Amino acid sequence: GEDVEQSLFLSVREGDSSVINCTYTDSSSTYLYWYKQEPGAGLQLLTYIFSNMDMKQDQRLTVLLNKKDKHLSLRIADTQTGDSAIYFCAEIPTTTDKLIFGTGTRLQVFP
Amino acid sequence: EAGVAQSPRYKIIEKRQSVAFWCNPISGHATLYWYQQILGQGPKLLIQFQNNGVVDDSQLPKDRFSAERLKGVDSTLKIQPAKLEDSAVYLCASSPTGPGDEQYFGPGTRLTVT
Repeated sequence: GEDVEQSLFLSVREGDSSVINCTYTDSSSTYLYWYKQEPGAGLQLLTYIFSNMDMKQDQRLTVLLNKKDKHLSLRIADTQTGDSAIYFCAEIPTTTDKLIFGTGTRLQVFP
Repeated sequence: EAGVAQSPRYKIIEKRQSVAFWCNPISGHATLYWYQQILGQGPKLLIQFQNNGVVDDSQLPKDRFSAERLKGVDSTLKIQPAKLEDSAVYLCASSPTGPGDEQYFGPGTRLTVT
């Protein structure tokens, strides 16, 4: 299957950490991705993780991958108002070789 | 390096009318993608070109949608005739070689069908 699911909405206070979760069904993907979409803009690749890794850290971003549970998460440390956007997880299953996006999580950061 | 360009940014048409969207990918990128993003959902691939050939159009509603990339550079996506359910943002993306590369997205064209 190609379903990638995310919670719809997350609200955090500025300075706190945000954790955005994603579950996927196809375990054949070599890479899993996190994209950011700001209002009126296209998608921007934030980070990605190779499927044989458990964790990847990139400045304020930490990606955790649990292959057994098919669960991916994105943690944003010290969340800022500029982080307010919609975040999509995505995968490219080897069975389809095309990018499959999740439903998106809208992150709202309040002061 | 210039990004992926799309035009128009917004379009409002009545159902049963026709509409066309244009995309200019990043120079030198062989692969071009058109995605449809319905409000509240993630983007869904409509068609993928490798140079000027179609690699995957399995999710393109071919009775009303068509796309071309004649010279292997820019591309147009057409809808004829439009339906209410075609209201969405149409995103174009490009990558250097294929899906395994990073895909660079344009700002999209927001289509409203009334």
